[in-house]
Amino acid sequence: DIQMTQSPSSLSASVGDRVTITCRASQSIGSFLNWYQQKPGNAPKLLIYAAYSLQSGVPSRFSGSGSGTDFTLTISSLQPEDFATYYCQQSYSTTTFGQGTRLEI
Amino acid sequence: EVQLVESGGGLVKPGGSLRLSCAASGITFSDVWMSWVRQAPGKGLEWVGRINTKSEGGTTDYAAPVKGRFTISRDESKDMVYLQMNSLKTEDTAVYYCTAMGSGYWGQGTLVTVSS
Repeated sequence: DIQMTQSPSSLSASVGDRVTITCRASQSIGSFLNWYQQKPGNAPKLLIYAAYSLQSGVPSRFSGSGSGTDFTLTISSLQPEDFATYYCQQSYSTTTFGQGTRLEI
Repeated sequence: EVQLVESGGGLVKPGGSLRLSCAASGITFSDVWMSWVRQAPGKGLEWVGRINTKSEGGTTDYAAPVKGRFTISRDESKDMVYLQMNSLKTEDTAVYYCTAMGSGYWGQGTLVTVSS
C-alpha cells in the first residue's frame, strides 16, 4: 500500500499568513494527489485535485503543486474560515489519506 | 444539486452486522465510482472500499482492515450504494461517509458505534 505522510501534524498561524502543508508519498504517484479541507462535524471538502487543479468554487488563495512523491498545499493569505484540518489523498492505487494537518489560530 | 444521503448507522454489538445505505441524486449515478470512507472519533480519514460502475463490471476493492467482512454493492435502478458490514469490531466505530470521490461529492456521514 502507498503511505502518505503529511507535515506538519499541526500548525499555528494568523489571519493573513501564508502557509504551506507538505505531503510525501511512499512511492511515485504522478499527479494523482488531492487535497481536502475538513471542519468539525462536517464532511471533507475537495479543494485541489490532480495535484494542482482548483475545484470549482474554491478560492484562488488555495493552490497545489508537486508531482511524483512530494506535494504541497499553499494558502496564500489565511482567512478566518480557513482554520480547519487538511488531508492529502492519493488516488494512484486505490486510495490512502495522509494523517491530516490541523491548522489553528 | 448533488446529494448523497447515508442512512442505517446505529449501535451494534461486537460480532454483529449492519447495512449502510447511500441515496444519490443530482448525478448520473451509473457513470460514477462510489466509495465509502470512515472516520473514527477524533481520528483521520480512512478509505474503506469502492465499487466501479455497472458497465465496468461493478468491481470492488477494499482496505485491508475490512476485507472479507465488508461488502459494497450498488443498485442502478435506485441510484443507491450499500455497505454491508459483518463481524463488526469495536475498532469499526466511526462516522461512515459515502462519496463519489472522483467528482468531489460527499454525504454528511452516518455514525456506527460498535460496543457491548
